[in-house]
Amino acid sequence: GQQVMQIPQYQHVQEGEDFTTYCNSSTTLSNIQWYKQRPGGHPVFLIQLVKSGEVKKQKRLTFQFGEAKKNSSLHITATQTTDVGTYFCAGHNNTGNQFYFGTGTSLTVIP
Amino acid sequence: DTGVSQDPRHKITKRGQNVTFRCDPISEHNRLYWYRQTLGQGPEFLTYFQNEAQLEKSRLLSDRFSAERPKGSFSTLEIQRTEQGDSAMYLCASSVGTSGYNEQFFGPGTRLTVL
Repeated sequence: GQQVMQIPQYQHVQEGEDFTTYCNSSTTLSNIQWYKQRPGGHPVFLIQLVKSGEVKKQKRLTFQFGEAKKNSSLHITATQTTDVGTYFCAGHNNTGNQFYFGTGTSLTVIP
Repeated sequence: DTGVSQDPRHKITKRGQNVTFRCDPISEHNRLYWYRQTLGQGPEFLTYFQNEAQLEKSRLLSDRFSAERPKGSFSTLEIQRTEQGDSAMYLCASSVGTSGYNEQFFGPGTRLTVL
């Protein structure tokens, strides 16, 4: 079945360091969405990428969708304590009927 | 607060009992999704509705699970003959439009504990 894996599973960084999480799907995705979930909270939408090779930026966050539409990455520059949480990628399979979340990367920022 | 509400927020039940959860999506959102999330894992897709029609159901979902959205507004998720493995957070999300290529707004979830 479809699998969406993320690495690393956990990441501890000093405040001010950069952070990257990688998302890899076993099959082609029609889109990629990224969500952030704070401890004890629910997922909150960050962004969507649809086109092959697409890159989008939101302030210190840079999102990329791979050329084959099977992988994606989220890069945070100069992390802040407010970046703490678990970052999930998610996407639809080619039929568009099911939505798969990745395994998530939990980010801890040490002040 | 995203505007998606879920009730109850917590449910403790004994194995073998039936439970029902309710989700009220953002008004006029066409799509409604149900997910299950266990500790340290990503949300696992269960099913989704386009208005009142249930368009997809995960193969992972056993026959003990059923969901409805009778009038295209609120939705209910019922679990029959609960098992300890059903213990999880059940999340509901809604989105506008019909393509599915839209931001999903999540509710706070219902945490189920099966004793």
